[in-house]
Amino acid sequence: GAVVSQHPSWVICKSGTSVKIECRSLDFQATTMFWYRQFPKQSLMLMATSNEGSKATYEQGVEKDKFLINHASLTLSTLTVTSAHPEDSSFYICSARPNSYEQYFGPGTRLTVT
Amino acid sequence: AQSVTQLDSHVSVSEGTPVLLRCNYSSSYSPSLFWYVQHPNKGLQLLLKYTSAATLVKGINGFEAEFKKSETSFHLTKPSAHMSDAAEYFCVVSGVEDSNYQLIWGAGTKLIIKP
Repeated sequence: GAVVSQHPSWVICKSGTSVKIECRSLDFQATTMFWYRQFPKQSLMLMATSNEGSKATYEQGVEKDKFLINHASLTLSTLTVTSAHPEDSSFYICSARPNSYEQYFGPGTRLTVT
Repeated sequence: AQSVTQLDSHVSVSEGTPVLLRCNYSSSYSPSLFWYVQHPNKGLQLLLKYTSAATLVKGINGFEAEFKKSETSFHLTKPSAHMSDAAEYFCVVSGVEDSNYQLIWGAGTKLIIKP
């Protein structure tokens, strides 16, 4: 149980385009979902926290207009990187939390912007 | 405020020898603590967690960790390293001060296994 999926697992896009990443909790309802970014050989950096039906809470330094988060249902959250640039290339990881303290992680999405 | 410090960025051991990955935390509350492992190009996997029950926690793949409140430590150990243990390990504390239970991540320790 407690499986979280992400789609796509990797994506290459051209500079200036937008890309959407989906995060789904497959066998539980996620009260809260989190989006992380991980640069090579570094730890995870929390980008934002989203509760279903509410606006996401962004961490300091994360541009909310660039990284659009939608948490429309208890099993789906999406992260859209708008007007992507090469510096947005990274590994994006989502996690989902049911009505408890533990988070369950997706496998991650590797974004490369050319 | 809560924080996590992983004392070593890299740890190198020979196959078959013990593993020790060190982690210290800071928390005003009784924390929940986790160790996650990340293999190259793979997702995060929960190794073990401490949630105020037994202070010695056993996890998967032969790993265990001991919560020591007096030392504010939660070191990860394994008696005998295997080549497949080579990965990045993260010590994490749950932000119980935050109703969303945000995770506070350590910087990670890369475990290198020498044949």
